[in-house]
Amino acid sequence: KQEVTQIPAALSVPEGENLVLNCSFTDSAIYNLQWFRQDPGKGLTSLLLIQSSQREQTSGRLNASLDKSSGRSTLYIAASQPGDSATYLCAVKGLGANSKLTFGKGITLSVRP
Amino acid sequence: DGGITQSPKYLFRKEGQNVTLSCEQNLNHDAMYWYRQDPGQGLRLIYYSQIVNDFQKGDIAEGYSVSREKKESFPLTVTSAQKNPTAFYLCASSIGWTGASTDTQYFGPGTRLTVL
Repeated sequence: KQEVTQIPAALSVPEGENLVLNCSFTDSAIYNLQWFRQDPGKGLTSLLLIQSSQREQTSGRLNASLDKSSGRSTLYIAASQPGDSATYLCAVKGLGANSKLTFGKGITLSVRP
Repeated sequence: DGGITQSPKYLFRKEGQNVTLSCEQNLNHDAMYWYRQDPGQGLRLIYYSQIVNDFQKGDIAEGYSVSREKKESFPLTVTSAQKNPTAFYLCASSIGWTGASTDTQYFGPGTRLTVL
């Protein structure tokens, strides 16, 4: 059974800092990995999707990497801003006809002005 | 304005009552999903539907029921058999089930259900 772990559960950093959020998964047989953002009391917004054959994806100040063999992904946020404060969730999609997304518990990020 | 809508935003239920949460999408997506989120927890899949008139149980389907009579609608009923229904419920949709590079899941704003 796939398990996705995100540690730490919460992180507080000063504005302007570059930071890395980590995600690990136990089964490397994945189709893709996604990073989502969730603001308090809201739905999820997809940030980046990395196919299993890819190593990284970039969007603006965000860069996500994938090391499938070691079961790890990182989300790099450059020059953090208070508006980046949110919960960031990692999810992996398994292989097979009935595969589904398995989510981590998320990392709640607070960027202090 | 395309997207996924969920209603109501807040819902209160007395013990023993069934309640239905609405989810509508105008993205012309085939696949739709219902998740449950508890504080400090990841999302858990309740039910999913790959195509109209078809749906499958997810990881925590007990005490819930769904229907998919129209492509754009996927309502979730929380029955009295669900022992701990207080949670945040999220509906999502995607183009299809297979997970092509563009096939991300789009989420609605959620419904917070509280049992009184």
